[in-house]
Amino acid sequence: NAGVTQTPKFQVLKTGQSMTLQCAQDMNHEYMSWYRQDPGMGLRLIHYSVGAGITDQGEVPNGYNVSRSTTEDFPLRLLSAAPSQTSVYFCASSAGWSNYGYTFGSGTRLTVV
Amino acid sequence: GQQVMQIPQYQHVQEGEDFTTYCNSSTTLSNIQWYKQRPGGHPVFLIQLVKSGEVKKQKRLTFQFGEAKKNSSLHITATQTTDVGTYFCAGNPGGNQFYFGTGTSLTVIP
Repeated sequence: NAGVTQTPKFQVLKTGQSMTLQCAQDMNHEYMSWYRQDPGMGLRLIHYSVGAGITDQGEVPNGYNVSRSTTEDFPLRLLSAAPSQTSVYFCASSAGWSNYGYTFGSGTRLTVV
Repeated sequence: GQQVMQIPQYQHVQEGEDFTTYCNSSTTLSNIQWYKQRPGGHPVFLIQLVKSGEVKKQKRLTFQFGEAKKNSSLHITATQTTDVGTYFCAGNPGGNQFYFGTGTSLTVIP
């Protein structure tokens, strides 16, 4: 039982490049979300999904796209990377959006130069 | 913007001393969760509080939810070096989002 798996663990991008951060969970969780963590800012919600085919924006969605074609996978796409997107990105899943704790992946450390 | 504030931002304690972190929301919360993140790691779920005035304990950790459901606290009795990390609260004001506090980084001096 792997839990939440994120790839890659580290990535360096040049400004303007695009990439996809992968997230997969094997717990059959309906709710999945993406957070970014910056020093002194806590974790801020980027996008979330309450089930396959359903996504919505969080606090800081600009510059990111998501899709949820299956229950297991929830990739995050950076459309045109900017230095302000340098951060640690966490994917999380939960059996429900409000009454269950989140299981987090190990994170992706992204640097945009 | 940030709806959940957490204080203090940093706390250094001698091993064996107690530690408390506080979480305050500008709006009433449906429920609140607490997480611990070890240095270089990812957040790990500790507990959820739902009821007004609720108190829950996990060994040396005591969690409280305020009567007005706008604040919460985490208290650690007799800290150990294994308690080192950043503690986050995450409040749900009733929508589809949890708002994380900025976290309290705990350092335990042996």
